[in-house]
Amino acid sequence: GQQLNQSPQSMFIQEGEDVSMNCTSSSIFNTWLWYKQDPGEGPVLLIALYKAGELTSNGRLTAQFGITRKDSFLNISASIPSDVGIYFCAGQPRSGGSNYKLTFGKGTLLTVNP
Amino acid sequence: DGGITQSPKYLFRKEGQNVTLSCEQNLNHDAMYWYRQDPGQGLRLIYYSQIVNDFQKGDIAEGYSVSREKKESFPLTVTSAQKNPTAFYLCASNTRSSQPQHFGDGTRLSIL
Repeated sequence: GQQLNQSPQSMFIQEGEDVSMNCTSSSIFNTWLWYKQDPGEGPVLLIALYKAGELTSNGRLTAQFGITRKDSFLNISASIPSDVGIYFCAGQPRSGGSNYKLTFGKGTLLTVNP
Repeated sequence: DGGITQSPKYLFRKEGQNVTLSCEQNLNHDAMYWYRQDPGQGLRLIYYSQIVNDFQKGDIAEGYSVSREKKESFPLTVTSAQKNPTAFYLCASNTRSSQPQHFGDGTRLSIL
């Protein structure tokens, strides 16, 4: 089946630093999504990307849909303590039979030191 | 407020027991999903349903069962056949136009 490689697995940074994480796929996706999960809660959607090359921002977060359709990047600028959590990428394939199925990366655990 | 409600928040299962996790949404979404999350792992799809009275197996359906009798509800039963049920279970939903899935706050299932 499809696989997503998300990196890095974890990051420990100082408050105010910028953060970058990415996901790569062995196959093409039609949609890329980025979620954040706090401990004991469900993932919350941060950014959705629908077109190759698309660059979308949500406050201090910026995500890009790779030109090859096989990768996506998430950047967080000027990190703050509440950015702590697990960030997941998810891809949705182009094939019609499984339009609604998402493939998830294993997550990036972000720790911010005040 | 509109959203996805999962209950209970914590659930304990005895050996040989079936347990049912509830998922209700008032977003008028057509599709609903169940995922399993293990520590350090991504989300793995158990079952999904695109319309009432229809559902499909996901990647790890063995030992689980679902029903979709109402648009708003998609309960998941963890049967005694599931030998390693300890995990965090997440329910999600979206519209049929492939809009992003939105998640409930999860149910943590443990073995007594």
